[in-house]
Amino acid sequence: DTGVSQDPRHKITKRGQNVTFRCDPISEHNRLYWYRQTLGQGPEFLTYFQNEAQLEKSRLLSDRFSAERPKGSFSTLEIQRTEQGDSAMYLCASSAKIREGTEAFFGQGTRLTVV
Amino acid sequence: GQQLNQSPQSMFIQEGEDVSMNCTSSSIFNTWLWYKQEPGEGPVLLIALYKAGELTSNGRLTAQFGITRKDSFLNISASIPSDVGIYFCAGRKTSYDKVIFGPGTSLSVIP
Repeated sequence: DTGVSQDPRHKITKRGQNVTFRCDPISEHNRLYWYRQTLGQGPEFLTYFQNEAQLEKSRLLSDRFSAERPKGSFSTLEIQRTEQGDSAMYLCASSAKIREGTEAFFGQGTRLTVV
Repeated sequence: GQQLNQSPQSMFIQEGEDVSMNCTSSSIFNTWLWYKQEPGEGPVLLIALYKAGELTSNGRLTAQFGITRKDSFLNISASIPSDVGIYFCAGRKTSYDKVIFGPGTSLSVIP
């Protein structure tokens, strides 16, 4: 399968713990996006990378959140000191160079539950 | 918060009926996208629109890029049970901007 891969698919953690999610984009896609989706809502933009450079971060991304994309390949999203409000689906997407017809493909997401 | 509005919020229709849903924004977008999401999965792109007034089809799905650049419409003809899911509109304000999603329209098809 050569689609966007996210790991783990599900994560249950206790409040206050740190969690890290991984995203492997489609090979040679240079843009990688992270979105958060809560129940009944559309995906909300968190951040995106072009190659290894993080180009934009949403105000939703508090100082407890950090994302990296070393070497411009896979990316990780870490949440420190998790809170119950962090419970959501975290979606990763990747795309080739932006132009018509090169829209982003999404992974299946990582569902986080903070108890 | 969300900058796109979708209506209706949910729809229950009989199999075989046609479906119409729309998406509006207070801002101008230069790209409109329609995605479908099924439970436990990520959104899947259905149709992409790049020019005002553009009408694009993908099988039984047809979408239009509104002339004002502030709205888009999705129609599904002759609905079938596998059309069930949440349909999201999404857009970009510029070619290099991030994609913003609407809150979704939930579609249920009664066999």
